[in-house]
Amino acid sequence: GQSLEQPSEVTAVEGAIVQINCTYQTSGFYGLSWYQQHDGGAPTFLSYNGLDGLEETGRFSSFLSRSDSYGYLLLQELQMKDSASYFCAVRSGYSTLTFGKGTMLLVSP
Amino acid sequence: NAGVTQTPKFQVLKTGQSMTLQCAQDMNHEYMSWYRQDPGMGLRLIHYSVGAGITDQGEVPNGYNVSRSTTEDFPLRLLSAAPSQTSVYFCASSSTSFFSYNEQFFGPGTRLTVL
Repeated sequence: GQSLEQPSEVTAVEGAIVQINCTYQTSGFYGLSWYQQHDGGAPTFLSYNGLDGLEETGRFSSFLSRSDSYGYLLLQELQMKDSASYFCAVRSGYSTLTFGKGTMLLVSP
Repeated sequence: NAGVTQTPKFQVLKTGQSMTLQCAQDMNHEYMSWYRQDPGMGLRLIHYSVGAGITDQGEVPNGYNVSRSTTEDFPLRLLSAAPSQTSVYFCASSSTSFFSYNEQFFGPGTRLTVL
């Protein structure tokens, strides 16, 4: 089966940098994705890593190390609106995603 | 484009009742899926479809049925509701190119309570 581990909660202040880690165990691997969810609303796609290394999209970056079964999401220049839950998701089957339990990020002034 | 739409937004059922959660998308996506989200459990895949007439089970399919007669619609049926099915249900879609499965578009969710 598949399992993903990520911290349940992270706190930071506005303007800071925060890193949310994700480790996974999976029988197949087609990539690691990150999603953001505000207050139980619709999850929205943030980024995807299929190969090792860093992918940057504006203030957000995501990293993957397939040999370590590890990835992280890096959020820079934190804003209050970044307070949300963040989910890592492994694409373990060709067409299916398995999500982690989510990390709640609380950004304070 | 409306994206992915779900109805109803909220629903209360009694144990044993049946109902259908509706999901529609206007992005011509071949792939559609249903997830449930419970507190502290993340999103768990119930059923998915890679095209009209094709469905498959996800991680937690028991108690749910799906069918896919058109590209646009992917309804989820609860056959005999149980309190354990109290949850928030999300429908999602994507195209079926290799990368696209990673970027799924989610609907706003249906909040279901079973008494």
